[in-house]
Amino acid sequence: NAGVTQTPKFQVLKTGQSMTLQCAQDMNHNSMYWYRQDPGMGLRLIYYSASEGTTDKGEVPNGYNVSRLNKREFSLRLESAAPSQTSVYFCASSDAGPPKEAFFGQGTRLTVV
Amino acid sequence: KNEVEQSPQNLTAQEGEFITINCSYSVGISALHWLQQHPGGGIVSLFMLSSGKKKHGRLIATINIQEKHSSLHITASHPRDSAVYICAVRSRVNQFYFGTGTSLTVIP
Repeated sequence: NAGVTQTPKFQVLKTGQSMTLQCAQDMNHNSMYWYRQDPGMGLRLIYYSASEGTTDKGEVPNGYNVSRLNKREFSLRLESAAPSQTSVYFCASSDAGPPKEAFFGQGTRLTVV
Repeated sequence: KNEVEQSPQNLTAQEGEFITINCSYSVGISALHWLQQHPGGGIVSLFMLSSGKKKHGRLIATINIQEKHSSLHITASHPRDSAVYICAVRSRVNQFYFGTGTSLTVIP
C-alpha cells in the first residue's frame, strides 16, 4: 500500500546511545516532516524538508539531526540520546500548494533509560 | 499561546449520540486537517478542508474561514469511533500546527 513507512516501531536506548529513525514515502511528495508527540502536547515539529536536498529546523530541533537522502527518504538521528527524548516520533509527508493530504507513518515509540 | 485550540479535551458519549469536536486557530491557513489517532498510535487523515463542508460516511467536517473555526461531527457514534481526534492547520508557508487532540470514548 502507498504511504509512509517508518522504522522501527519500538526502541529502547540507554542514555548516550545513538540511533537513526528511518522514514520513506512512495507518493512522490516534496515535503517531509519529523514530529514528536508527548502527553498533553500537540505534535511538535523537529525538522522538515521542503524538497530533496533541503532541511530546516522546526520547533524542537536540539539533540537531533536529519538527512534527506533522496526524495523518498528522510531520516532522523539521535546522536546521544537523553531521557528527555523519550517520546513517540512521527514522520509525515505532503505536497506543497495547492494543499494536499498529509500522510503519517505509524510512529516510533522511543524510550531512553 | 497555541496556534490551534481544541475542545473538549476529553469526551465520553453513549453509542448512538451525536458528537461535536471544535477547533479554533489563530494563524492564516491554506488548509485545515482533521486527523484520527487510534490506540496503538497510528495517525490517519480524515479530512482536509479549505472551505465549506465535507462528509465521509458518519463524519462531517465544517470550516468557517472568517471565524477561524472548524468542527468535526460524528453522527450515530459507535465504540469503534473511540480515538483521539486531532485538528491541524497548514499555514500559507506549508507548516503544520497541531491541536493537543480530543480523546473520545464511545460507550456501548
